[in-house]
Amino acid sequence: QKEVEQNSGPLSVPEGAIASLNCTYSDRGSQSFFWYRQYSGKSPELIMFIYSNGDKEDGRFTAQLNKASQYVSLLIRDSQPSDSATYLCAVSPGTGKLIFGQGTTLQVKP
Amino acid sequence: EAGVVQSPRYKIIEKKQPVAFWCNPISGHNTLYWYRQNLGQGPELLIRYENEEAVDDSQLPKDRFSAERLKGVDSTLKIQPAELGDSAVYLCASSRNAGTGANYGYTFGSGTRLTVV
Repeated sequence: QKEVEQNSGPLSVPEGAIASLNCTYSDRGSQSFFWYRQYSGKSPELIMFIYSNGDKEDGRFTAQLNKASQYVSLLIRDSQPSDSATYLCAVSPGTGKLIFGQGTTLQVKP
Repeated sequence: EAGVVQSPRYKIIEKKQPVAFWCNPISGHNTLYWYRQNLGQGPELLIRYENEEAVDDSQLPKDRFSAERLKGVDSTLKIQPAELGDSAVYLCASSRNAGTGANYGYTFGSGTRLTVV
């Protein structure tokens, strides 16, 4: 079992829709959780982090964490074609190391 | 503030040749990370430095990979000899300290795309 699992996609949504990206992790001791966005040919860019159960909102982005279910999600409201990218979920066991999933490719169609 | 700077951006070498990558972290950042990202995969940690000390190198293939961070600032990652399977993007990141990185994430440089032919 991979430590951090994501559906590789692609996930295709129409412009203006809500995109829902999901991630599960295996280490119950994980403390912090991150979403990175990676455009093709570019390096990952941190867009959100969360470490408490519940929701955290930042503009059109909402991160959701459920530690009991070992589940993290990212919602993107009013999706735009510029949101088309690969979204990487990362988990911190608290050692300074981030463990990444393989990423989910999101396609937002005009 | 300037971001994490990496060079070169691209490198194409023949197998069995040596190659080196350079990273300059954000000023004041004591923790430096080298990650490798294979095509279609997420980044994987190779080595983490706290100042000049390598504190986590468990995933570094030590038979051919080496790294150094002299004076606790710039870092160099070397592969000798390179193999076809080393083709990947090598990413450097930094954070003020390990705790900051663990809690708030960190910023990656633009990466070096290595192609071994």
